[in-house]
Amino acid sequence: DVKVTQSSRYLVKRTGEKVFLECVQDMDHENMFWYRQDPGLGLRLIYFSYDVKMKEKGDIPEGYSVSREKKERFSLILESASTNQTSMYLCASSRTQGAREQYFGPGTRLTVT
Amino acid sequence: AQSVTQLGSHVSVSEGALVLLRCNYSSSVPPYLFWYVQYPNQGLQLLLKYTSAATLVKGINGFEAEFKKSETSFHLTKPSAHMSDAAEYFCALRVDSSYKLIFGSGTRLLVRP
Repeated sequence: DVKVTQSSRYLVKRTGEKVFLECVQDMDHENMFWYRQDPGLGLRLIYFSYDVKMKEKGDIPEGYSVSREKKERFSLILESASTNQTSMYLCASSRTQGAREQYFGPGTRLTVT
Repeated sequence: AQSVTQLGSHVSVSEGALVLLRCNYSSSVPPYLFWYVQYPNQGLQLLLKYTSAATLVKGINGFEAEFKKSETSFHLTKPSAHMSDAAEYFCALRVDSSYKLIFGSGTRLLVRP
C-alpha cells in the first residue's frame, strides 16, 4: 500500500510566522503535489515536483514556496503566514508511468490567527 | 481545454438504494479518469481508475463506473448504499503527458437510514 504521511494533522500559527508543512511518501514516486482545499473552491494545486530539486507552479503559488531535497520528501513553506492561508492542505504523490493516479496524505488543517 | 463537471453538489439516498454520482468530462484526447472519496477531515482515497483497458471499471467498497465516450461521461454507481458511504466524492481527469489532475467540484453523498 502506498503511504503518504503529513507532519501534522492540525496546526495553529500566528500571522507573520514562517510555517513548514512536511510530506513523506514511501513508494518511490517521482511526482509530488501540494493542494489546498477550501469550501466552495474545491482542490487547488499550489506546487508540484516531478523530480528532486525540480518544481513547477500550480494554479495558486502566491505566498508559498516548496522544497524537494530528497525524493520521498516534499515541503510546503509559508514564508509569512496570513489569515487567508487558513485552509486544509493536502499532499499527494504519483508515478510518472501509467495512469499517474495520485495518492493523498491525511491532510493538515492549518489555522492562522 | 480539459474540464470535469460533477452534476449535483449534494445527493441524498436511502440506505439500500442505488447510488448514482454523475461526472462528465471534456477532453480532445483520450483521458484517464478517476474517482476519489473523502471522508470528513481526511485526505482523498482512490476508489477506481479508467485507463482504457475496459469501459466498466470496478473499484473498492462495491463501487463501479462506466466510461461512455459517446456521452463523455464516467458516472459512479453502487447498487446498495450503506451508511458508511456518506462522504464527498470527486471525479478527476488526466490527459497524456500531463502530471496534473483536473478535479470536479465534488458531490456530497448523504445516506438516510
